[in-house]
Amino acid sequence: GAGVSQTPSNKVTEKGKYVELRCDPISGHTALYWYRQSLGQGPEFLIYFQGTGAADDSGLPNDRFFAVRPEGSVSTLKIQRTERGDSAVYLCASSPNRELNEQFFGPGTRLTVL
Amino acid sequence: AQKITQTQPGMFVQEKEAVTLDCTYDTSDPSYGLFWYKQPSSGEMIFLIYQGSYDQQNATEGRYSLNFQKARKSANLVISASQLGDSAMYFCAMREGQGSNTGKLIFGQGTTLQVKP
Repeated sequence: GAGVSQTPSNKVTEKGKYVELRCDPISGHTALYWYRQSLGQGPEFLIYFQGTGAADDSGLPNDRFFAVRPEGSVSTLKIQRTERGDSAVYLCASSPNRELNEQFFGPGTRLTVL
Repeated sequence: AQKITQTQPGMFVQEKEAVTLDCTYDTSDPSYGLFWYKQPSSGEMIFLIYQGSYDQQNATEGRYSLNFQKARKSANLVISASQLGDSAMYFCAMREGQGSNTGKLIFGQGTTLQVKP
């Protein structure tokens, strides 16, 4: 079956612009996670959804970052007034509801803010 | 606070030999899970192995095994019979707590493994 997909694979934008990053989790997975990975670093947690609700958004760096998952499947990470420091690979992962042992990661979206 | 430490920025191993990648962790939660992921140059994160804090035996998955030493708070990854395709970045990660309201992984800085032919 299909894995986690993310679009776009690459996004180049200018400082101050608004961007949306999309994640399609594995069908039937109710848990969805967003992480951010800077060059040479490990991924850093941003937000976790269980179903439609954000169960843990403690990793969002500031109020420019927002994520939604209105129907409990596809999620969109939204970044307002982008800054050069937002440049990173944004990873999405999903896992089945009752089995949290493994998170399946998507290929990521590489965001470059000029 | 939760923390994962990987002290080896880079490692080399000869093909067909075994290699150990170090990971130590810090948590005050008695219930936690430890993970290892592989990230090749293509960028995808590939799950390798999982160890629960209450598991009595060390986890094994094919050529991967996790040397879990709870008292020392270490969870080293052992790769046996290294292959050229094992060359990648390896991340140790921890998930604290159980239940549906937790799930985030805390990752270490990673170790780059290069397998020499």
